[in-house]
Amino acid sequence: KNEVEQSPQNLTAQEGEFITINCSYSVGISALHWLQQHPGGGIVSLFMLSSGKKKHGRLIATINIQEKHSSLHITASHPRDSAVYICAVNRNNDMRFGAGTRLTVKP
Amino acid sequence: DGGITQSPKYLFRKEGQNVTLSCEQNLNHDAMYWYRQDPGQGLRLIYYSQIVNDFQKGDIAEGYSVSREKKESFPLTVTSAQKNPTAFYLCASSILGYTEAFFGQGTRLTVV
Repeated sequence: KNEVEQSPQNLTAQEGEFITINCSYSVGISALHWLQQHPGGGIVSLFMLSSGKKKHGRLIATINIQEKHSSLHITASHPRDSAVYICAVNRNNDMRFGAGTRLTVKP
Repeated sequence: DGGITQSPKYLFRKEGQNVTLSCEQNLNHDAMYWYRQDPGQGLRLIYYSQIVNDFQKGDIAEGYSVSREKKESFPLTVTSAQKNPTAFYLCASSILGYTEAFFGQGTRLTVV
């Protein structure tokens, strides 16, 4: 079993819909990251969380340390949000990654 | 602008040849990492380095080698011993303690 599990694996939405991507982890962590990978492959960091909730524009990330669960929400989704979203956790000296959620937002 | 540069973006090699992927950062980060990404799987750690002239094996180091002669550079060599080298390779760097990582744009290696 992977240490970091994401769901769903694939998600298709219509423009304007509210989107939720979930991440569960099974190890002790110091922080959790949400990353965005564009079709070309480059990865950018969206959020780093150790507790609570963070918001940046239309993106909201939450984490529940007790339940070992995090969610990434996208409000008013847009086709340019189409990408792979990756959950990763800090563990010891490295990061552990989920397999990613491929999001497609249709106009 | 500070960042991480990987080159080349696409690389083709014949089976049995060694190939070296470049990773350079000007963020003054002590730690650098190499990951491999395969379809449907999370990134897996190949090697990491926390200081010049020192590096550690990750989960899938077999068939790979690295060097860290300069703080800015962490090249990865995919050797002929790597059984399935075709993959997408990502380099990352961070301050020590791995609070936040910065990623390169990746190199897609295809071995034919």
